[in-house]
Amino acid sequence: DVQMTQSPSSLSASVGDRVTITCRASQTVNNYLHWYQHKPGEAPHLLIYAAANLQSGVPSRFSGSGSGTVFTLTISSLQPEDFATYYCHQSYSAPFTFGPGTKVDLK
Amino acid sequence: QVQLQESGPGLVKPSQTLSLTCTVSYGSISSDSYFWNWIRQHPGKAPEWIGYTYYSGNTYYNPSLKSRVTISVDTSKNQFSLKLSSVTAADTAVYFCARSFEAHKMDAWGQGTTVTVSS
Repeated sequence: DVQMTQSPSSLSASVGDRVTITCRASQTVNNYLHWYQHKPGEAPHLLIYAAANLQSGVPSRFSGSGSGTVFTLTISSLQPEDFATYYCHQSYSAPFTFGPGTKVDLK
Repeated sequence: QVQLQESGPGLVKPSQTLSLTCTVSYGSISSDSYFWNWIRQHPGKAPEWIGYTYYSGNTYYNPSLKSRVTISVDTSKNQFSLKLSSVTAADTAVYFCARSFEAHKMDAWGQGTTVTVSS
């Protein structure tokens, strides 16, 4: 199975901050890497698909980059509604696997 | 906009079978574009993909759970279901259903339902 890791596991930030989360895969996943936002009690939301493509309806302050084994999710200017946990997910190799998440909370 | 909703017992006894249903609203489960997934998440852990079904009934399971999992689809009810047999406390988790397409990006999810395995 492809093992996914994320760093940091949590971070504290302020509204307006630039936030970067890194996801690493134990082997190449090409660009089959997706990012989700999840708030407690809600359905997770797809933010970025295929490493760098913004899902329809997602604000442009979210962006993704990377290929192969290292990927990043960037929030250019953190907004109050962005405090949540973020997960990466690879769908290049079954079984599909997820990262352990990065929790973003208010400093 | 498609909506997914999980339903089923929140408490299951050890050794029994966990059964959950995902109802799809505002979208057809019979579309040939989509796959219908089950994912679970233990507290504080990474989500774990359980498997998916296609509208035709074809399935693909995570090998780690394959011997105990059945995912089925009911196109007449616009639902798909998960059965996990011989459960133990290790199967206690939040279970999500999700739709995927185009390289299996999961673009719609249910809110999740907590299942506890306990006598």
